[in-house]
Amino acid sequence: DAKTTQPPSMDCAEGRAANLPCNHSTISGNEYVYWYRQIHSQGPQYIIHGLKNNETNEMASLIITEDRKSSTLILPHATLRDTAVYYCIGYRGGNEKLTFGTGTRLTIIP
Amino acid sequence: DTGVSQDPRHKITKRGQNVTFRCDPISEHNRLYWYRQTLGQGPEFLTYFQNEAQLEKSRLLSDRFSAERPKGSFSTLEIQRTEQGDSAMYLCASSLARGNEKLFFGSGTQLSVL
Repeated sequence: DAKTTQPPSMDCAEGRAANLPCNHSTISGNEYVYWYRQIHSQGPQYIIHGLKNNETNEMASLIITEDRKSSTLILPHATLRDTAVYYCIGYRGGNEKLTFGTGTRLTIIP
Repeated sequence: DTGVSQDPRHKITKRGQNVTFRCDPISEHNRLYWYRQTLGQGPEFLTYFQNEAQLEKSRLLSDRFSAERPKGSFSTLEIQRTEQGDSAMYLCASSLARGNEKLFFGSGTQLSVL
């Protein structure tokens, strides 16, 4: 799996957009960029994934640079319930295992 | 979709005792994964099954650990002769094996070895 680099922590004001960066300069052409988050005392929760194009769902938007060396997860209107650790993972699926790093601890401030 | 269920949520045991955890995956999911997570770290892969076959085991899974999925449905993870270093959150996840599948995680079993 591609090695990803994320800042260890970030703060965001409630109601503002939270933009979480991820660098994945060694990602291969067939590796998707996946985002999961983990709220305290719960298991990780899938958020979104993408290959080349930007993606949006009911939870977030994913912006992937054209060279695929980095991406940004956007939570458009952060709430206190979005406080969690966010993991960016390069993943091909199939027989590969999902490998987590240490993620970004996002704190939403009232 | 009732989600992935893990039992128990918390387990406290004394060093040297055996413990067993259970995971019930989402019913139509044929893949089942076990992960372990210690404080401040991301989850670490332990092993996974496709139906009843155990396809991969991590080096983290010592001889004291054994996992089963006898009928391709629920799974158990047993730790024999527990050590204090086994204290961690044990997470189970399931998925459909059809390419870039999403994993659905349970809430985990928090093990404390005294």
